Amino acid sequence: QKEVEQNSGPLSVPEGAIASLNCTYSDRGSQSFFWYRQYSGKSPELIMFIYSNGDKEDGRFTAQLNKASQYVSLLIRDSQPSDSATYLCAVRYGGFKTIFGAGTRLFVKA
Amino acid sequence: NAGVTQTPKFRILKIGQSMTLQCTQDMNHNYMYWYRQDPGMGLKLIYYSVGAGITDKGEVPNGYNVSRSTTEDFPLRLELAAPSQTSVYFCASGQTGVENTGELFFGEGSRLTVL
Repeated sequence: QKEVEQNSGPLSVPEGAIASLNCTYSDRGSQSFFWYRQYSGKSPELIMFIYSNGDKEDGRFTAQLNKASQYVSLLIRDSQPSDSATYLCAVRYGGFKTIFGAGTRLFVKA
Repeated sequence: NAGVTQTPKFRILKIGQSMTLQCTQDMNHNYMYWYRQDPGMGLKLIYYSVGAGITDKGEVPNGYNVSRSTTEDFPLRLELAAPSQTSVYFCASGQTGVENTGELFFGEGSRLTVL
């Protein structure tokens, strides 16, 4: 069974700090990795995707991928109260099958 | 911009009843998915489809059935509802290929309670 593991949290950070979210996956052949944000009672929405080893930056968000360690992370710089949500790590394998981790709840304190 | 549309948004079922959750997308995506999300948990893949006439099981398929007769529609059938099927169900669609990121587009969810 393919698995995606995340620390469920909650992770609490003060406003303006860096939030660091982590994810590990079991299938070494996985090729595509995604971070989704989900506000309470809402649908998930894509924040970042990453395919290659290294870092990928988009505004305040940076995704990091290490395929050798089967590890994906998301850094949120200058965290804002509006960033408070559940962050879901997702891994696609077999070309189209996408599975999700349990999610990490993030609270940003004003 | 309709995107992915799910109906109904809310439903209460009695144990043993059956029902169908409807999902329609207007983005001409080949890939469609059904996930369930239990309280405080992530998404679990129930079934997915890579195109009309093609479906396959996900992580938690027991108690569910799907069909994909058209590109647009991907209904999820619950037979003999059980309390363990109380959950929020999300339908999603996506496309792969050189010009696509692999992003999944989600419907608003269907909240099902089995009593």
